Amino acid sequence: EVQLLDSGGGLVQPGGSLRLSCAASGFAFSTYAMSWVRQAPGEGLEWVSAISDSGGTTYYADSVKGRFTISRDNSKNTLYLQMNSLRAEDTAVYYCAKDGRYTGSYVDYWGQGTLVTVSS
Amino acid sequence: IVLTQSPGTLSLSPGERGTLSCRASQSVGANNLAWYQQKPGQAPRLLIYGASSRATGIPDRFSGSGSGTDFTLTISRLEPEDFAVYYCQQYGSSSLTFGGGTKVEIK
Repeated sequence: EVQLLDSGGGLVQPGGSLRLSCAASGFAFSTYAMSWVRQAPGEGLEWVSAISDSGGTTYYADSVKGRFTISRDNSKNTLYLQMNSLRAEDTAVYYCAKDGRYTGSYVDYWGQGTLVTVSS
Repeated sequence: IVLTQSPGTLSLSPGERGTLSCRASQSVGANNLAWYQQKPGQAPRLLIYGASSRATGIPDRFSGSGSGTDFTLTISRLEPEDFAVYYCQQYGSSSLTFGGGTKVEIK
């Protein structure tokens, strides 16, 4: 059974940093691309970032480019999202997501989400 | 690519047919369009990919169709568990986008 366990969310001040983690199990992690998708309170879904199976290729939404960094450790079956220079508009539930086919494709499995709140 | 979903809210009774629309601002490459269902407090669930392929375990009352810029999700006979919010997503470009969602509510 595919499982994605998101963690690392919390309350952070504007301009601060946070690192999200996603522990994956139940599938061959190193052979699948992964993504992060977020959802602001009461709003729709927004794709944030994607990374290839090897970690060699990454993509970012314009809204987070230059501030967020996606990475992975295939030896630990773990996906990360380093978030710097956080803004109030980054407040959202962040979902770890397994890409169905290739980097930046549809998502076939989702984590339970971790809430990030940016506020002073 | 901007995705516009309509209607914003669809009020239907169990057993009725639901038709949800997703229109793209430009052609979606290779019909790379997916549909997801999300219930309150839960993560989304993949229903349809490639515009018309059902994901694993999805009942056949859910079907997807369309190409280019116009796509449709049809729920043939609404079951009580189908009342939720539905999102379309395009993955035909390197910058993925989601539609704003259609809420299917009980009439």
